[in-house]
Amino acid sequence: QKEVEQDPGPLSVPEGAIVSLNCTYSNSAFQYFMWYRQYSRKGPELLMYTYSSGNKEDGRFTAQVDKSSKYISLFIRDSQPSDSATYLCATGGRSASKIIFGSGTRLSIRP
Amino acid sequence: DTGVSQDPRHKITKRGQNVTFRCDPISEHNRLYWYRQTLGQGPEFLTYFQNEAQLEKSRLLSDRFSAERPKGSFSTLEIQRTEQGDSAMYLCASSGGQGASSGANVLTFGAGSRLTVL
Repeated sequence: QKEVEQDPGPLSVPEGAIVSLNCTYSNSAFQYFMWYRQYSRKGPELLMYTYSSGNKEDGRFTAQVDKSSKYISLFIRDSQPSDSATYLCATGGRSASKIIFGSGTRLSIRP
Repeated sequence: DTGVSQDPRHKITKRGQNVTFRCDPISEHNRLYWYRQTLGQGPEFLTYFQNEAQLEKSRLLSDRFSAERPKGSFSTLEIQRTEQGDSAMYLCASSGGQGASSGANVLTFGAGSRLTVL
């Protein structure tokens, strides 16, 4: 079993739709959670960082962490064609050493 | 500071040759990471430095792989006797700060070095 599971997609939605991306993780020691966006042939770039459970909002993006069910989500409101990319969830423990990534979900926003 | 720099961006080599990648992290970051990413997969952890000390290595990092960070600044990743299975994007990332709650674990990635082994 992978430490972080993520549906690879691809996911295709029309412009303006709300997008929901999800990951599950297995290690209850994970303390912090991140979402990265990766365009083709580029390095990942940070979208959201959350420490422990709860919600965090930044513009059109909302990250949710439910540590009781080991479930993390990213919501994108009013999706734009420029949001088309691969979205990676990532998590790590208190030791701040190894950060584990999901396999990524490929998202396409149709104009 | 222009972020994390990686060189070369693309390397094509023949099987059995040695290759070396260089990473220049963000100057104030004390942690440096190497990841490998293949098509359709997320980044896989290879190794991690805090300053010049290599603190953790993945089982993925076979004896043919070696990483150094001699003065706690830039890092090199060398692959000896390359195999076709080594073809991948090699990503470097850096992080800094104190405490997980402050975002010290946030990784800033470079654009990656793509390796093609023929």
